[in-house]
Amino acid sequence: SAVISQKPSRDICQRGTSLTIQCQVDSQVTMMFWYRQQPGQSLTLIATANQGSEATYESGFVIDKFPISRPNLTFSTLTVSNMSPEDSSIYLCSSKTSGADTQYFGPGTRLTVL
Amino acid sequence: QKEVEQNSGPLSVPEGAIASLNCTYSDRVSQSFFWYRQYSGKSPELIMSIYSNGDKEDGRFTAQLNKASQYVSLLIRDSQPSDSATYLCAVNTAGGSYIPTFGRGTSLIVHP
Repeated sequence: SAVISQKPSRDICQRGTSLTIQCQVDSQVTMMFWYRQQPGQSLTLIATANQGSEATYESGFVIDKFPISRPNLTFSTLTVSNMSPEDSSIYLCSSKTSGADTQYFGPGTRLTVL
Repeated sequence: QKEVEQNSGPLSVPEGAIASLNCTYSDRVSQSFFWYRQYSGKSPELIMSIYSNGDKEDGRFTAQLNKASQYVSLLIRDSQPSDSATYLCAVNTAGGSYIPTFGRGTSLIVHP
């Protein structure tokens, strides 16, 4: 199994600012993902973080708003840019290894935008 | 568009009863099915996976899959208050990106 840590665990930010969330996995993994989960809602996939190349974004999410980095097989960052109150949510990092179905999730970052 | 549907609940059962959680999916070629448990304020954790029609048992948990009806369920026997959580159904399509589609989850409350 993979153990995933995220920083920060929570933050309160002002409108118009940006926040970068860090995700660290304790072992090398093939795939890393970023999800958003709003209260009472399911997990919405933002993007797949690709090592050494641009992330693959899902419909409705764009790089300018959610730039993602993945410099190696164990680390990724998600930036929420030019935040608005609508960005208030829990952001979850997830990982899986190619050939395995199990996905592991980080503890999440609870973001509140005022 | 692939869809995974779950009743949001809450489903309330007494301690010791069987809790039955249901999930339907739209993509007929789906091949892998998962149940995740998410405690309030925590991240999802995988509790069951099932790939073939029929039942799969793991302790107090039984996953049931019926591909013809596009239906997967999770039974929790001898429900305990510690089982109170949101249960997320996830469905994956073979040959695709191997990124599952999640349902919105069913909230389960087990009361003493």
